[in-house]
Order: sequence, then C-alpha cells, then structure tokens
Amino acid sequence: QQQVKQSPQSLIVQKGGISIINCAYENTAFDYFPWYQQFPGKGPALLIAIRPDVSEKKEGRFTISFNKSAKQFSLHIMDSQPGDSATYFCAASYDGGSQGNLIFGKGTKLSVKP
Amino acid sequence: KAGVTQTPRYLIKTRGQQVTLSCSPISGHRSVSWYQQTPGQGLQFLFEYFSETQRNKGNFPGRFSGRQFSNSRSEMNVSTLELGDSALYLCASSLGRSGTGELFFGEGSRLTVL
Repeated sequence: QQQVKQSPQSLIVQKGGISIINCAYENTAFDYFPWYQQFPGKGPALLIAIRPDVSEKKEGRFTISFNKSAKQFSLHIMDSQPGDSATYFCAASYDGGSQGNLIFGKGTKLSVKP
Repeated sequence: KAGVTQTPRYLIKTRGQQVTLSCSPISGHRSVSWYQQTPGQGLQFLFEYFSETQRNKGNFPGRFSGRQFSNSRSEMNVSTLELGDSALYLCASSLGRSGTGELFFGEGSRLTVL
C-alpha cells in the first residue's frame, strides 16, 4: 500500500516529441504528488506537483495529469529537448506534503535525441 | 541563498565500521529529511527531523540513526556498516509547514563500503 509504481524504466524520445511517464499508487490517503528531476551528480529537484483536488496542472512544457479514481498520475513533457535528459521520479505523500516523508517511484531515465 | 550542504561528499569505509554524515539545511528551514538512493531500490526515505524531534521514520534497521541540532543542522549515523549500505545518502530540507511541500535536496554523500 505504500508503493508508488512508475513506468517506463527508461524512455528515448526525439527532440520536439512528447515524453510521457506514468505512476500508480494504492494508498488513498496520499494527498500530494510531486515530480522530481535529477541530473547525474546532483540531488533531485522539484519539477511540478499536484494535489488530488485538480485533474491537471501545467507549468511551461510540463503537465501533470491526475486520475483520482484510477489512482494514477502522469507527467507529460511537451516539445522535449536534449536538456530534459535526466532521471524523473514521481512521488507521493500525506498532509499536503508538509512533512518530508515522500514515497518515490523507482525513476525513469529519459534520453532526448537531437 | 545557499542551498543544502552535505559533507563529506565521498567516503569509503569497511564493513563493521560506523559513519556520520552531516547536512546543513537552507536557512530558515526547520525540517530535514534523509534518503538513501541505490540503483536497485531507488530513493528510500530514512527519517525526518523537525525542530530537533524525529517526526517520521522509514523502514530501516536501528543501525541507521539521526539527530537534529537547535540550528536545524542534522547528522545521520550508520553503525556496523554492511556492504549493502553502499549508496548515495541525500539530505533534503523544507519549511515543514502545511502547504509548503517542496523538498530541497543536497548533492548527497556517496558512501562505499568495502
């Protein structure tokens, strides 16, 4: 019940294409769903986050789609660029994310080819 | 504003030894969380400290411990090191208040156990 399942494990996309990463969770008590981006040698950095009272959130080229009934959420990266090549982690937590106990998915390594 | 600082960045230990890792959070942040990152298990939550008290704990053995000081700086300790403890240990800080879910990660301390 504590798991967050993420797919695919790796993804190769052409420059300008759309990258889509999916996550699923079991625990309906989760109420905060962030996505983190990690470059080699760096710590993860928050990309975008959503709470279950909305079905979609967009920030620039990055969009989270949230399906509460299916307990799934996904990250869409529009017009993917080589600079987007990184590992992406979805996560979930309680209490609106006020506490530092995130449950992370296993990560998706994205490669954007020029 | 300075980011999250972790020391040391790299260290090598042998089985049976103990190690202490240090984390200085962003100024004003009262919550410090620790995560273990490995290729196989991904990012796993160790524990979170808020105002010098452990607020959350992950599913790790008692060999893993931590503490937080009055200036919000935190240390984690791993005793009786095992080969499987080789990992990147990440510290993250946050305000720790409701509605402020973003975790700011340091670049990590990479521990190798021989």
